[in-house]
Amino acid sequence: ETGVTQTPRHLVMGMTNKKSLKCEQHLGHNAMYWYKQSAKKPLELMFVYNFKEQTENNSVPSRFSPECPNSSHLFLHLHTLQPEDSALYLCASGRMNTEAFFGQGTRLTVV
Amino acid sequence: EDQVTQSPEALRLQEGESSSLNCSYTVSGLRGLFWYRQDPGKGPEFLFTLYSAGEEKEKERLKATLTKKESFLHITAPKPEDSATYLCAVQATGRNTPLVFGKGTRLSVIA
Repeated sequence: ETGVTQTPRHLVMGMTNKKSLKCEQHLGHNAMYWYKQSAKKPLELMFVYNFKEQTENNSVPSRFSPECPNSSHLFLHLHTLQPEDSALYLCASGRMNTEAFFGQGTRLTVV
Repeated sequence: EDQVTQSPEALRLQEGESSSLNCSYTVSGLRGLFWYRQDPGKGPEFLFTLYSAGEEKEKERLKATLTKKESFLHITAPKPEDSATYLCAVQATGRNTPLVFGKGTRLSVIA
């Protein structure tokens, strides 16, 4: 256990559904991240939050909407996704500009 | 643009057969180079951070080294439980710079 908890672990959703991914850390870290991991591709950074402020949005489509209500919680709201959005979505936390610690991920399948 | 290239893409070793994984990088200025281990269906597990050329770090059968252009992850007398994908990432100097990951090396250790 890294201290970063993601729920749910698996999610199947239709293209018209709305769902949310949740990430929680109690490690005292000030930075939280969303990454996407697809087969045969490197981890792709999606969003970065530092002290609840979004500092990076890596040209992510608007059908992905992050929310960081406090420094311990991070959400990724999903709506009208496409089948190509199926992937492993990873949350991580850390102190800014140091190593990141990852959760176990949410395996998302869009049907 | 910061880039990370890992080789080989896949490596199959007999138990006890030592080898090395390579991570070549180009970055404007290196703040840190990171190694992670990832098991199937799980999030990456942090292994090491290296900050400057000549630095080495060890953990059990793993040793990571760093030069100005590449890093090696040496695996001594591997065991089947070392089978995993090993990811390398770099972080550039500057404010709020993200980790840039390679595609990873998939290691299989056969008993």
